[in-house]
Amino acid sequence: RKEVEQDPGPFNVPEGATVAFNCTYSNSASQSFFWYRQDCRKEPKLLMSVYSSGNEDGRFTAQLNRASQYISLLIRDSKLSDSATYLCVVIRQGTGRRALTFGSGTRLQVQP
Amino acid sequence: DGGITQSPKYLFRKEGQNVTLSCEQNLNHDAMYWYRQDPGQGLRLIYYSQIVNDFQKGDIAEGYSVSREKKESFPLTVTSAQKNPTAFYLCASSPSGAVSGNTIYFGEGSWLTVV
Repeated sequence: RKEVEQDPGPFNVPEGATVAFNCTYSNSASQSFFWYRQDCRKEPKLLMSVYSSGNEDGRFTAQLNRASQYISLLIRDSKLSDSATYLCVVIRQGTGRRALTFGSGTRLQVQP
Repeated sequence: DGGITQSPKYLFRKEGQNVTLSCEQNLNHDAMYWYRQDPGQGLRLIYYSQIVNDFQKGDIAEGYSVSREKKESFPLTVTSAQKNPTAFYLCASSPSGAVSGNTIYFGEGSWLTVV
């Protein structure tokens, strides 16, 4: 089982729609969680951190469910410019390796 | 402006050849990383270095080698032993201590194609 799993999509939605992605992680020692956005043929860029209490940044809401070991990203009022791949990122606690573990990404295509 | 520079952006390699991808940062970061990304996949860690003159294997180190002789430089060599090297390679850096999603910086990536 992969350490971080995402539905690859693509999720095809019309402009203005609300769309949600989930990401599951297998290691219960995982400590920190993030959502990154990656445009085609570009480097990933941090979208938002994910906090236990949930957090919101404009049209984007991130949630963490430690009991079920998943994080989610909700995008409201989708824009054409939201079309990208969204990567879930996890950092494990207490490991000698200090690096980010990436999911394979969920592709979103917002259509006019 | 501070940042990470990767070069070349596009590289073509013949089978059996070694190639070296450059990664330079002027952020004064202690830690540096190399990731590989295949189409439709996430990033997989190849090697990482927490400090000068020290580096560790990541999840897919076979067929790759690195060096960290200077703090600002972390070149990656893709050797002929790497059976399927065609991919997008990303270099990253972060300050010393625990890495975080909001403290890691990525270069723009290098596309390697084996012809």
